[in-house]
Amino acid sequence: DAGVIQSPRHEVTEMGQEVTLRCKPISGHNSLFWYRQTMMRGLELLIYFNNNVPIDDSGMPEDRFSAKMPNASFSTLKIQPSEPRDSAVYFCASSLSPPLNEQFFGPGTRLTVL
Amino acid sequence: GENVEQHPSTLSVQEGDSAVIKCTYSDSASNYFPWYKQELGKRPQLIIDIRSNVGEKKDQRIAVTLNKTAKHFSLHITETQPEDSAVYFCAASIKNAGNMLTFGGGTRLMVKP
Repeated sequence: DAGVIQSPRHEVTEMGQEVTLRCKPISGHNSLFWYRQTMMRGLELLIYFNNNVPIDDSGMPEDRFSAKMPNASFSTLKIQPSEPRDSAVYFCASSLSPPLNEQFFGPGTRLTVL
Repeated sequence: GENVEQHPSTLSVQEGDSAVIKCTYSDSASNYFPWYKQELGKRPQLIIDIRSNVGEKKDQRIAVTLNKTAKHFSLHITETQPEDSAVYFCAASIKNAGNMLTFGGGTRLMVKP
């Protein structure tokens, strides 16, 4: 298995632009997570899907952020409009249902908003 | 919700010495405690985990202990090597909360040769 796949790996954009991050979970995994990592705030959970349904989005910072999971093999995280403070590494992770709890992380997308 | 505190934030040890990282959690319903290692520029990867029905688990040079009464768990690395240098994250997951993890703030471990 190729593991969790994320694209793009690096994104540089200007303030105000729309940014879309993409994730393909490991085949057969039914839980998907989006995280944001910064030096100041560490690793923060943004949103959690189970069987393609958003279960907990309490970590989504504000309305500029949205996430979708149209099917079991694809998810997007969109930021519109982007701001410099959104600059971070965004990780997607997937797992099987409990009790098999291990989360497998993708390589991350490094986002820089100028 | 769950809150996970991790200490220390940085730890420097000499090669061959042991390293201990400690975490506390707030929700007594937590039942799964993984540890992730993140090398510079890489993704977090699971190195060991423990469930609430076990007090200790060991895998070669790494071990994790859990004290449910005190709500704390620790990572122990023995005979440290330079390749152990990384950021280590503890996490906790609450039963019936799916696979959601709450992560600690991370510990940057530096092993000096």
